[in-house]
Amino acid sequence: SQKIEQNSEALNIQEGKTATLTCNYTNYSPAYLQWYRQDPGRGPVFLLLIRENEKEKRKERLKVTFDTTLKQSLFHITASQPADSATYLCALGDTGFQKLVFGTGTRLLVSP
Amino acid sequence: DTAVSQTPKYLVTQMGNDKSIKCEQNLGHDTMYWYKQDSKKFLKIMFSYNNKELIINETVPNRFSPKSPDKAHLNLHINSLELGDSAVYFCASSPNPGLAGYEQYFGPGTRLTVT
Repeated sequence: SQKIEQNSEALNIQEGKTATLTCNYTNYSPAYLQWYRQDPGRGPVFLLLIRENEKEKRKERLKVTFDTTLKQSLFHITASQPADSATYLCALGDTGFQKLVFGTGTRLLVSP
Repeated sequence: DTAVSQTPKYLVTQMGNDKSIKCEQNLGHDTMYWYKQDSKKFLKIMFSYNNKELIINETVPNRFSPKSPDKAHLNLHINSLELGDSAVYFCASSPNPGLAGYEQYFGPGTRLTVT
């Protein structure tokens, strides 16, 4: 069955450093991958989308890579800030009607 | 000017009761979803409607019945509530994606507690 794995342990980093979050998947060939941010008590918020034929996408301090051979996506936040502290979810989707399969999320804590 | 809204935000009820959660989006999107997020924060799709038509129906007990009166609204009715139904339920919407894939916009969630 499809499996999406993200680090279940929280990632603690210092302000100003680069945070790198990992999303690995098995038994799946997604057409695209998305990253969302979720704050406590709120719904997920879309951050970035990367398609299967793209290697890298950037948006301001965010960068996503997508390696379909390794079946892995890396999500980077450069110059991290305490306001970046949240849970980050990766989600895989196929063509057609937007059925997203979410990973379990990684909690990021950025300390001043 | 909330994009995706849900009511109520909190719902506490007893086992065996029937309850409904309402969702509305003002983004003009064609597709709406219901997700369940359990206590371990795992987010799983339940249903999806495209222009009032059911297009995704995951393995969900028959006690759960979605209803879409128009493409801006998707309600979730739950019969005979059980303890295991306690979770946060999120509504979401997205444009008709075609083959490209689009982001989904989530509501604030409804925390359902069954006692």
